Amino acid sequence: GENVEQHPSTLSVQEGDSAVIKCTYSDSASNYFPWYKQELGKRPQLIIDIRSNVGEKKDQRIAVTLNKTAKHFSLHITETQPEDSAVYFCAASSGATNKLIFGTGTLLAVQP
Amino acid sequence: KAGVTQTPRYLIKTRGQQVTLSCSPISGHRSVSWYQQTPGQGLQFLFEYFSETQRNKGNFPGRFSGRQFSNSRSEMNVSTLELGDSALYLCASSPTSGSGNEQFFGPGTRLTVL
Repeated sequence: GENVEQHPSTLSVQEGDSAVIKCTYSDSASNYFPWYKQELGKRPQLIIDIRSNVGEKKDQRIAVTLNKTAKHFSLHITETQPEDSAVYFCAASSGATNKLIFGTGTLLAVQP
Repeated sequence: KAGVTQTPRYLIKTRGQQVTLSCSPISGHRSVSWYQQTPGQGLQFLFEYFSETQRNKGNFPGRFSGRQFSNSRSEMNVSTLELGDSALYLCASSPTSGSGNEQFFGPGTRLTVL
């Protein structure tokens, strides 16, 4: 069935370092890959997304890469700041509906 | 534009009861999806409604149901509550249905089943 695996489950970095979170999806028909940030007690918020016809997308300190052959996509955060501390979820979607299959989340802690 | 709103924000119920949760999408959005979030299972898709029709359903028992009204507001209902139904229930709205549409989440309803 549809599945998205996400690693690592926790990640601790020093302020200013880079952070990388990786996801693997199983459904080869997946064509949309959003990343959500969820702060404690808050709603998930979209931070970046990528579609299957693009290999990389960047938005300031955040970038996402997609390898369709390997069914991998990754989130890269550079120059991390304490306010980047949150849980990050990757997701995948396909077909004619908005159904998102989420990864299990990565708790990112940025140490000042 | 006002964001996605959900009511109530918190609910406490006992086993065997039923509950109805409400979601008001962003004005103009016609798709509403529901997700269950738990520490153990993460974020799991429940169902999506678009133009008052259920477009897709996740792997949940029939005790979980939903509907959408002509103004795009959506409700989900859980009957015969079980302890394991304790979770944060999130809805997300989108202008239309189909992979690739950005979805905007509401603040969630925290359901506790005793």
